[in-house]
Amino acid sequence: DIVMTQSPDSLAVSLGERATINCKSSQSVLYSSNNKNYLAWYQQKPGQPPKLLIYWTSTRESGVPDRFSGSGSGTDFTLTISSLQAEDVAVYYCQQYYDTPHTFGQGTKLEIK
Amino acid sequence: EVHLVESGGDLVKPGGSLRLSCAASGFTFAIAWMSWARQAPGQGLEWVGRIKSNIDGAIRDYAAPVKGRFTISRDDSKNTLYLQMSSLKTEDTAVYYCIKLGVGGVPNEWGQGTLVTVSS
Repeated sequence: DIVMTQSPDSLAVSLGERATINCKSSQSVLYSSNNKNYLAWYQQKPGQPPKLLIYWTSTRESGVPDRFSGSGSGTDFTLTISSLQAEDVAVYYCQQYYDTPHTFGQGTKLEIK
Repeated sequence: EVHLVESGGDLVKPGGSLRLSCAASGFTFAIAWMSWARQAPGQGLEWVGRIKSNIDGAIRDYAAPVKGRFTISRDDSKNTLYLQMSSLKTEDTAVYYCIKLGVGGVPNEWGQGTLVTVSS
């Protein structure tokens, strides 16, 4: 199984500042035939289902603000929130959908400093 | 607009069985690959399993903790996905989410979830 490890487990950032969350996979999730990394990011707020933010590592889902961006390739990935807003307080998860089981990272709790 | 509505969650005793349903609308269910994931109280997300479309052979894959105990099925005539759970354990207590997979397997739509509690 591909193990997904996020860092840090929790993060406190001031409003308007940048937040960066990392995700590392135990093996590459890059599919060479199409050069796509099968990596998604979700945001989950209390009492709600996860919301897809980014897929294919860096493609924003429709309606997601452009302050959210994703980057990386192979085994190392990053979710960046360029200017933290109060509504961004949530838990963030990465997930690989390269191979089953489609494993998740353990989550990163993002708070306001 | 895509809608996924899970139902069937309940309180069940260890060793018991339960079937969850996910009613789908707003897309062509018959060609969609679908997944289940779960989230124990206060914990992270855990992938449960996936079923491909009947056109693609309805192949099923399961996570190790549920393999042999859970079965995913689909009824394309009813636009409904199922998760049959048996030999339930206390550690199966979780909110269970139904997920639609998009092009390339992107998990792009999630239901609101249904709570399963396994307790004596």
